[in-house]
Amino acid sequence: EVQLVESGGGLVKPGGSLRLSCAASGFTFTDAWLSWVRQAPGKGLEWVGRIKRKIEGETTDYAAPVRGRFTMSRDGSENTLYLQMNSLRTEDTAVYYCTTSLYGTPVYWGQGTLVTVSS
Amino acid sequence: QTVVTQEPSFSVSPGGTVTLTCGLRSGSVSSSYNPSWYQQTPGQAPRTLIYNTNTRSSGVPDRFSGSILGNKAVLTITGAQADDESDYYCVLYMVSGLVFGGGTKLTVL
Repeated sequence: EVQLVESGGGLVKPGGSLRLSCAASGFTFTDAWLSWVRQAPGKGLEWVGRIKRKIEGETTDYAAPVRGRFTMSRDGSENTLYLQMNSLRTEDTAVYYCTTSLYGTPVYWGQGTLVTVSS
Repeated sequence: QTVVTQEPSFSVSPGGTVTLTCGLRSGSVSSSYNPSWYQQTPGQAPRTLIYNTNTRSSGVPDRFSGSILGNKAVLTITGAQADDESDYYCVLYMVSGLVFGGGTKLTVL
C-alpha cells in the first residue's frame, strides 16, 4: 500500500524559511516522479513543483509563484521527499500535499501539512 | 500562461448523470495531456478518480468514467449519489509542469 506522510508544517513569519518532509513507502521510491501540490484556505489546488527520477537526474520543475524561493530534493536512502521553502510570503499559506505520479499526474496523495505564514 | 477551465458549479439529481468538463482557454485538450480527475470533500485530501484520461484509480466505482469529448476532457458520473456532492478538480500534464483547473462544486439535489 502506497503511503505518503508529510511533516514540518507550522507557523512562520513572512520572510522566514521552513522545510517540509514527506516519508514514502509502498512503492519503489527511486522510480517515481514526486510532486508538491498546495491548497490555500478556501481555494483550489495549485501545483508547486515536481522532481523526476534518479535515472532522469532528479530534475526539478517549479510553478512560477515559487520559482527561485522553493527547492525540492529527495533522499533515496530514506525514501523521503523534501520541500525547502525560503522567503515565505503570506500568500504561501496553504495545506501542502505530497503526491506521487503515474503518467506525470498525481495518483497517490498524503494527508497534507498546514503552513501558515503570518506575522 | 496556461489556463485550465472547469465549470464553477453544477447540480445533478440523485440517480442522474452529469458530465463535467476540463478545457483549455486556448487550444484543445487531448490524451497527450494525460488529464486526471480528483474528488475532494471539505477538510480531506483529494482522492484520485481518473488518471491518464480514462484509467480509474484503485477502488473507484465504475460510475465514474473519463474520456475526451470534442476539445475537452470530461468526467462522467452516472447514477449520482448523495455522497458524490464534492469539489472536482482536473489537472493537465505539460512539459513545463502541471496545471489544475479551478474546480467544479457539484451539488446533488
